[in-house]
Amino acid sequence: QVQLQESGPGLVKPSQTLYLTCSLSGVITRSGSYYWSWIRQPAGKGLEWIGRIYTTGDTKYSSSLKSRVTISVDPVKNQFSLKLTSVTAADTGVYYCARDDKVGFDHWGQGILVTVSA
Amino acid sequence: DIQLTQSPVSLSASIGDRVIITCRASQGIRNDLGWYQHKPGKAPRRLIYAASNLHSGVPSRFAGSGSGTEFTLTISSLQPDDFATYYCLQHNSYPLTFGGGTKVDLK
Repeated sequence: QVQLQESGPGLVKPSQTLYLTCSLSGVITRSGSYYWSWIRQPAGKGLEWIGRIYTTGDTKYSSSLKSRVTISVDPVKNQFSLKLTSVTAADTGVYYCARDDKVGFDHWGQGILVTVSA
Repeated sequence: DIQLTQSPVSLSASIGDRVIITCRASQGIRNDLGWYQHKPGKAPRRLIYAASNLHSGVPSRFAGSGSGTEFTLTISSLQPDDFATYYCLQHNSYPLTFGGGTKVDLK
C-alpha cells in the first residue's frame, strides 16, 4: 500500500527557511515510473503546484516560486524534501507531497499545516 | 505558463442534480488534464485522468470529457459525499497548473 507522509515544523518565522520532508512507504523514490511533487494550498486559496523531482535528480519548479524553492531526494532514506527560503505570511498554508504517475497525482500525503509568523 | 480557468467558481445544487464544471486552457493541451476533489482537512483525490479516464475506485457518476482547450467534469447525480471543491490540473507542460477551483455546496 502506497503511503506518503509529510513532516516538518508547523511554525516558521518570517524571512526564515522552511524545510519539509515526505517519507514514502510501499514505493521507492528510485522508481522510474513516477515523479515526486510538492503542492500547497495557501490560506484561503486554491491548490498550487510547487515543483517536482525525478529519480535522476531532475527538477521542475513553479514559475512564481523557483527563485526560492529547492526539491531534493534521498533514495537511501526513501524520502524527498522541500526547501523554501525567505518565507512570508503568504507562504502560510497546507503543504502536500504527492506521487505523479505522469498523468497527474495518484497518491497524496495527508498534508501539513505551516504557519509563518513571528 | 498555461492558465486554466474554471467555471463556475461556485454552485449550489441539490441531491440528485446533474452538475457540470468547465475548465478552459489558455492554449491547447491535448487531453493532458485531470480532475480532483478536495474536502476541508483531507488530501485531494484524483477523479479523472487524461481528460476522460475514471481513476480507480471513483464512482461512475463522475465523467470527464474534452480535449484541446475545453474540458468538462460531469456529476450525473449529485450525492451527499460530493459536496467539495473541484480542481482541474494540466500536465501538458511545465510548470504544472491548477484551475482556480469550483466549490459545490448544498442548495
